[in-house]
Amino acid sequence: NAGVMQNPRHLVRRRGQEARLRCSPMKGHSHVYWYRQLPEEGLKFMVYLQKENIIDESGMPKERFSAEFPKEGPSILRIQQVVRGDSAAYFCASSPAGLGNQPQHFGDGTRLSIL
Amino acid sequence: GQNIDQPTEMTATEGAIVQINCTYQTSGFNGLFWYQQHAGEAPTFLSYNVLDGLEEKGRFSSFLSRSKGYSYLLLKELQMKDSASYLCAVRGGGATNKLIFGTGTLLAVQP
Repeated sequence: NAGVMQNPRHLVRRRGQEARLRCSPMKGHSHVYWYRQLPEEGLKFMVYLQKENIIDESGMPKERFSAEFPKEGPSILRIQQVVRGDSAAYFCASSPAGLGNQPQHFGDGTRLSIL
Repeated sequence: GQNIDQPTEMTATEGAIVQINCTYQTSGFNGLFWYQQHAGEAPTFLSYNVLDGLEEKGRFSSFLSRSKGYSYLLLKELQMKDSASYLCAVRGGGATNKLIFGTGTLLAVQP
């Protein structure tokens, strides 16, 4: 499968636990984006990363949320001390370049449920 | 501020044509994208406009007017499988490549 791979597809956590969401971009893509989709709402941008660099984190909550895209391995979105309001679908997208007409290609998402 | 507006829901008949409108107000503009999203699945890319005018791709066409902050997605010869949410997204100005999405239009195609 040459598409954007996200895992797990579904993740259940209790309040106060940590959630780790993983994303492997399409082959040849070096730009990764994370979006959050709440029920009945549109996709909201969270963070934009290139290998080992955070380019834009203007959509990330100031506390508990962090993201990385290491030189080797997938991009990780980490949520510490989860709360009920973190329940959402988290989508990762990738693109081969920053601008131009290259679209972002999305993974199937991780559905996070907080008990 | 940043604002993308689309109708929440639309209904159309199989074989017909439907137009989904999108208006936007963003700080800067570097292109407008349309995506299709079936329930529980990934958004899939449909079209991209950065210059004014119409882009045609098979049964799907997308139009852009930058002066009016307006775009539409036109779907022809509707099929039942076209029932999905259609997302309008604008790439804002500056070096960031982030997309600003509308809430999406849920299209129901009826026999």
